[in-house]
Amino acid sequence: DAGVIQSPRHEVTEMGQEVTLRCKPISGHDYLFWYRQTMMRGLELLIYFNNNVPIDDSGMPEDRFSAKMPNASFSTLKIQPSEPRDSAVYFCASSGAGGYEQFFGPGTRLTVL
Amino acid sequence: RKEVEQDPGPFNVPEGATVAFNCTYSNSASQSFFWYRQDCRKEPKLLMSVYSSGNEDGRFTAQLNRASQYISLLIRDSKLSDSATYLCVVPYYNQGGKLIFGQGTELSVKP
Repeated sequence: DAGVIQSPRHEVTEMGQEVTLRCKPISGHDYLFWYRQTMMRGLELLIYFNNNVPIDDSGMPEDRFSAKMPNASFSTLKIQPSEPRDSAVYFCASSGAGGYEQFFGPGTRLTVL
Repeated sequence: RKEVEQDPGPFNVPEGATVAFNCTYSNSASQSFFWYRQDCRKEPKLLMSVYSSGNEDGRFTAQLNRASQYISLLIRDSKLSDSATYLCVVPYYNQGGKLIFGQGTELSVKP
């Protein structure tokens, strides 16, 4: 299996621009998670889906962030407009039904200038 | 109290040393716990699961103390390749699949 796939791996953009991060979970996994990691705050859960349905988005910082999962093999995290404080590594992870082992993608390193 | 708290680190130890990390959690209903390992600039990966009082896997031992609500990870005979950040992880009670990650403890093993 290819594992969790994320794109792009690196993104540099200017403040105010729209940023879209993409994730393909492991085939057959029911859960998909979006995390953000910074030195100051560590690894934070932003939102997670179960069977393509958003279950908990309480970690989404504000309305500038949105996430979708149109089908079982694809999810996006969008930031519009982006701000310098959004600079972080964004990880996508997936897990199977009832299991707690989450498999992480390689992450997207986002820099907002 | 934070949901998951870990030793601040960093821990700098020589090869062959034994090192232990502690982690406390606030939700007394939690039944299972995990240690994840994260190498520099890489994604976290599951290291060990702890479902009862403890678990041992080679040089690694994880122990659980439910009364005091803490988990520990012991690494014996440290190797250079053990250098990484170790994340204590607690499932969110009754929210299937959701995990709470600690801030992590950085370990650096020196020759």
